[in-house]
Amino acid sequence: DQQVKQNSPSLSVQEGRISILNCDYTNSMFDYFLWYKKYPAEGPTFLISISSIKDKNEDGRFTVFLNKSAKHLSLHIVPSQPGDSAVYFCAASGSGYALNFGKGTSLLVTP
Amino acid sequence: NAGVTQTPKFQVLKTGQSMTLQCAQDMNHNSMYWYRQDPGMGLRLIYYSASEGTTDKGEVPNGYNVSRLNKREFSLRLESAAPSQTSVYFCASRLTGGGTGELFFGEGSRLTVL
Repeated sequence: DQQVKQNSPSLSVQEGRISILNCDYTNSMFDYFLWYKKYPAEGPTFLISISSIKDKNEDGRFTVFLNKSAKHLSLHIVPSQPGDSAVYFCAASGSGYALNFGKGTSLLVTP
Repeated sequence: NAGVTQTPKFQVLKTGQSMTLQCAQDMNHNSMYWYRQDPGMGLRLIYYSASEGTTDKGEVPNGYNVSRLNKREFSLRLESAAPSQTSVYFCASRLTGGGTGELFFGEGSRLTVL
């Protein structure tokens, strides 16, 4: 049973607007969350993370919000740029050693 | 900085053939991982090694074996390839075995089993 869920397989946003990617998790033991970005024919690259002791982490145009009570996190990209077009994976980690990944959301930013 | 290096990048096998995917990292990381990526399935963990000398099964270990050869290298072996193992395989490493910290991924190995 998938413990990290990204329910939107794809998202299309205009350049300059905000992109919001969502992620839900089921395991309350998860305490560290990450977002990865993946271009075709490349490996995933780390984007931003957040610990469960925080509810927001910001890095330039990227902000991750964590709502522990709802077991929900989101990634905001402002402003969106065409180069942001990629697949975004949400991942969660707990006391175990491995990251659990969602199925990914394909973001398309149109000019 | 090479980071995580995987070989080969592409491979075509016939059903029943065997092969080994090689992975090496030069970041002095303790833990290493093998994931597979399939359309609509995200990244699924096959095996991982939390530290040199240990290996553990992940979500989809059937049909695979692994070897943590040393701290740098972690190989994935398909003893008798099946079409269901057609996938893109990613090796990753992490400084620690658990808790916080990001995974660093290789560029992937695309395997086709006919």
